[in-house]
Amino acid sequence: QKEVEQDPGPLSVPEGAIVSLNCTYSNSAFQYFMWYRQYSRKGPELLMYTYSSGNKEDGRFTAQVDKSSKYISLFIRDSQPSDSATYLCAMSLAGGTSYGKLTFGQGTILTVHP
Amino acid sequence: DAGVTQSPTHLIKTRGQQVTLRCSPKSGHDTVSWYQQALGQGPQFIFQYYEEEERQRGNFPDRFSGHQFPNYSSELNVNALLLGDSALYLCASSLDRLNTEAFFGQGTRLTVV
Repeated sequence: QKEVEQDPGPLSVPEGAIVSLNCTYSNSAFQYFMWYRQYSRKGPELLMYTYSSGNKEDGRFTAQVDKSSKYISLFIRDSQPSDSATYLCAMSLAGGTSYGKLTFGQGTILTVHP
Repeated sequence: DAGVTQSPTHLIKTRGQQVTLRCSPKSGHDTVSWYQQALGQGPQFIFQYYEEEERQRGNFPDRFSGHQFPNYSSELNVNALLLGDSALYLCASSLDRLNTEAFFGQGTRLTVV
């Protein structure tokens, strides 16, 4: 079983829709949770990160972390065709032998059509 | 600010050969990590360099080695290339070893034939 599971999709939505992207994880020691966006033939771009549980909002993006369920989500409001990309969740520990290592999900391919 | 730059962008090598990939971190960043991303998969952590030393290592064989220079730039070396080493190799830099705000380069696409 992978440490981080992410539905690869693909996910196709109309412009303006609310998009929900999710990851589950098995290591309860993860403390930092990130969402990256990766366009084709580009490197991942950090959208936002959250420490421990709770919500964080940045413009049209909202990240949620539920540590009790080992479940994180990214919501995109008013989705645009420019949001079409692969979305990667990533997690890391705050200490220990794997300090600083990012563990990624497989990525979800999102297409927003006009 | 040029961000994280990697070279070369594409590379084709033959099985058994050796390859060196290069990374210049974002200005002011002193921590560099390397990741391997196979097609359709998320990046896999190879190792992290800080203060010119390897600080963390993922589940990769010793054929994968690296180096960090005093100016914080870094190299990834892979010896005895296998077909399975074909992937996108990503360099990420950050201000601290926690990597909560890691910036990635565009990657080097390595094809082993």
